[in-house]
Amino acid sequence: DQQVKQNSPSLSVQEGRISILNCDYTNSMFDYFLWYKKYPAEGPTFLISISSIKDKNEDGRFTVFLNKSAKHLSLHIVPSQPGDSAVYFCASPLISSGSARQLTFGSGTQLTVLP
Amino acid sequence: NAGVTQTPKFRILKIGQSMTLQCTQDMNHNYMYWYRQDPGMGLKLIYYSVGAGITDKGEVPNGYNVSRSTTEDFPLRLELAAPSQTSVYFCASSLGQGGHTEAFFGQGTRLTVV
Repeated sequence: DQQVKQNSPSLSVQEGRISILNCDYTNSMFDYFLWYKKYPAEGPTFLISISSIKDKNEDGRFTVFLNKSAKHLSLHIVPSQPGDSAVYFCASPLISSGSARQLTFGSGTQLTVLP
Repeated sequence: NAGVTQTPKFRILKIGQSMTLQCTQDMNHNYMYWYRQDPGMGLKLIYYSVGAGITDKGEVPNGYNVSRSTTEDFPLRLELAAPSQTSVYFCASSLGQGGHTEAFFGQGTRLTVV
């Protein structure tokens, strides 16, 4: 039972255009969301985050939007560059049985930016 | 500036063999984690530790054991390897709890059980 869902396994975009990666969640108790980026043969690296008290957070070419009523968030990359080609994971903290918050990850979206 | 270091990078095990995946971090982080990633899936938490001497199960702990004798090291032990444990394993650490502080990941260990 996935609590964080990324329904698009892949996305292709032309260089210079906008990339939009989507993520849905089922638990309304989630109050913080993170995006991680992963290149082949490397570990994930943190990209950007958003708290539920905001509906938008921007960092350079990357903007994350949060729609709490729809339980949906999206990552916008503008303009997209070939170096952005990677797998993007949406994640959110979950209260575990040990009461410590641990990250729950979506299944990832492979972004390919075409030159 | 090493960050999180995992060894080995690749390993092939036969069914029933055992091995230890090593993980070391040099950032003095209290929190450490082991995840596995299966093809087309997100990362699933195996075990985590909130400090030296303290460990707890994650989502998929069966077939694994961990220990945390120092702040720096968090080895993952596989006993009686099974084909279902074929996966890519990532170790991570964070200064605070994994939800609201950035987690730093190692490069991963690709394990194949045959």
